[in-house]
Amino acid sequence: GAVVSQHPSWVICKSGTSVKIECRSLDFQATTMFWYRQFPKQSLMLMATSNEGSKATYEQGVEKDKFLINHASLTLSTLTVTSAHPEDSSFYICSARATPRPGANMNTEAFFGQGTRLTVV
Amino acid sequence: AQSVTQLGSHVSVSEGALVLLRCNYSSSVPPYLFWYVQYPNQGLQLLLKYTSAATLVKGINGFEAEFKKSETSFHLTKPSAHMSDAAEYFCAVSEIITGGFKTIFGAGTRLFVKA
Repeated sequence: GAVVSQHPSWVICKSGTSVKIECRSLDFQATTMFWYRQFPKQSLMLMATSNEGSKATYEQGVEKDKFLINHASLTLSTLTVTSAHPEDSSFYICSARATPRPGANMNTEAFFGQGTRLTVV
Repeated sequence: AQSVTQLGSHVSVSEGALVLLRCNYSSSVPPYLFWYVQYPNQGLQLLLKYTSAATLVKGINGFEAEFKKSETSFHLTKPSAHMSDAAEYFCAVSEIITGGFKTIFGAGTRLFVKA
């Protein structure tokens, strides 16, 4: 299957600093990438949908100025947690859906990165 | 809006026993349904998916799921559990949105396998 690489796999930062998480599709192009947040022993909550070359679409309750998303190319999306606080500590996971070939149906399967464990101290 | 309900946050089985993880969905249109597995501190791995073809879907690692429209269910089964199956399992449904799909996850079911 297609590979999505997420980096870093874990990060510890101080309160007030910013952290950038990268999500790369290694062997396919992804027009759309998704960012999720997962609290311990809970499900994945969609934070935002990232579209290449346009602004991300944020889910209700997600602060767009705090969680900056950039999708500058068809293989890379970044999530920057700005002015991080301890309550931002969580597991962040990205996923990517392959861009369909011309004339083909939209791909229904999304491929997931390995996740990033963020701890803010 | 579509939604997914996983019955049972924890399921415990003995090694070699049948695994049954329940998932019910609500959808006003034919759904795309998925089962994912997550090991600790890792991302999600697709086990199988239903996209309106055969109702009995076979996936990796011996898992399969059956789409039952009348019951709005998509339960995951495996005939014989293995210790390595211990993980968190998520049922998901993809919802069509403008420009693509949005995947909605169930709360997850943690599978424990006893020796």
